[in-house]
Amino acid sequence: DAGITQSPRHKVTETGTPVTLRCHQTENHRYMYWYRQDPGHGLRLIHYSYGVKDTDKGEVSDGYSVSRSKTEDFLLTLESATSSQTSVYFCAISSLENTEAFFGQGTRLTVV
Amino acid sequence: KQEVTQIPAALSVPEGENLVLNCSFTDSAIYNLQWFRQDPGKGLTSLLLIQSSQREQTSGRLNASLDKSSGRSTLYIAASQPGDSATYLCAVRTNAGKSTFGDGTTLTVKP
Repeated sequence: DAGITQSPRHKVTETGTPVTLRCHQTENHRYMYWYRQDPGHGLRLIHYSYGVKDTDKGEVSDGYSVSRSKTEDFLLTLESATSSQTSVYFCAISSLENTEAFFGQGTRLTVV
Repeated sequence: KQEVTQIPAALSVPEGENLVLNCSFTDSAIYNLQWFRQDPGKGLTSLLLIQSSQREQTSGRLNASLDKSSGRSTLYIAASQPGDSATYLCAVRTNAGKSTFGDGTTLTVKP
């Protein structure tokens, strides 16, 4: 399996609190992505990174921010969690532009 | 805006059958199309990647075809096995760095 780890795997948090999800890779891949998966909506891109400190917005970026200070770590932050952000979050990595080669196991986030 | 549709949403077949999963997209100006497999509670595993200049890709019992002009891709699974049971998703990329995923087809292969 590719070296990609998401943490935490499960989290329950209260509305209005900040939450940070971590994606860690050991593959030295340049491209990293954050997706959310919801029934009826498939996977939707939140943010992606094409290098250290190089990030861009995806389809559903409102309410989320990201940071990539090292090649191996891509952090997703919910500044003030809302119930609509309850979802399963996936990180993906790739060495090639325009493809997601490997996905993490996902983080199930519940905002109550 | 690109829209990706996968029909049917669910499919149940007996072991040994050959089957076809469908993926349709609205914007034919794609860069590539990728098929993934997702097992319950797991992440996605890439199965096949077809570049826009290609017509098909094969890996073992899997064959994916791409027809950009009609906005369609099919994933053919030969001699299905219970271990093939999973959700299969297609993802279409039109702009660098961004893909649009279908909702998937959940396949059940009965022994």
